[in-house]
Amino acid sequence: AQSVTQLGSHVSVSEGALVLLRCNYSSSVPPYLFWYVQYPNQGLQLLLKYTSAATLVKGINGFEAEFKKSETSFHLTKPSAHMSDAAEYFCAVSGGSSNTGKLIFGQGTTLQVKP
Amino acid sequence: DADVTQTPRNRITKTGKRIMLECSQTKGHDRMYWYRQDPGLGLRLIYYSFDVKDINKGEISDGYSVSRQAQAKFSLSLESAIPNQTALYFCATSDLNRGSDEQFFGPGTRLTVL
Repeated sequence: AQSVTQLGSHVSVSEGALVLLRCNYSSSVPPYLFWYVQYPNQGLQLLLKYTSAATLVKGINGFEAEFKKSETSFHLTKPSAHMSDAAEYFCAVSGGSSNTGKLIFGQGTTLQVKP
Repeated sequence: DADVTQTPRNRITKTGKRIMLECSQTKGHDRMYWYRQDPGLGLRLIYYSFDVKDINKGEISDGYSVSRQAQAKFSLSLESAIPNQTALYFCATSDLNRGSDEQFFGPGTRLTVL
């Protein structure tokens, strides 16, 4: 069985500050991990994904995430927040090479960026 | 551009009505999914289909049914809508051959059941 927990339903940062969105997962098989972003009135867009290659994954818009197996974590970071980063962010896990073809999503974290 | 489209984008209906939400894709992907999004609950899987003849229930399929009319089309029906089915509904696709489970999402349908 797999599950995802995102710590903090709302995160608020100042423009230019570090963004840190936390995601912990549970998986009985080596997982694939994803971060998606949802802007208002839009669908989900992939930010980045981990598929068992490099543990530090770089995505779009300056975001990156590090897969830490010992901590079962896949936290999302960005060194300097921009107003345009305000959105809802979802972490998701899949069964990796076991090819279940399904994603399990976390509850989502809303990022607010203050001027 | 290859895309995932959903119709309608917004729908208001009354309790007891039958509703169909449609999803079409031009990505050539074999796998298609229906999710609902509720505040604080993330996305929950309603149904998924790995090819035209394969339909599977997700975690919250009660009150819903689906039809995979072709590789490119996957419809979600609410046989008798109820107010707690008010939500944002997303269709998604993925490509078995891509091997990463990455899913591509449509823009969503906002459904309100009065």
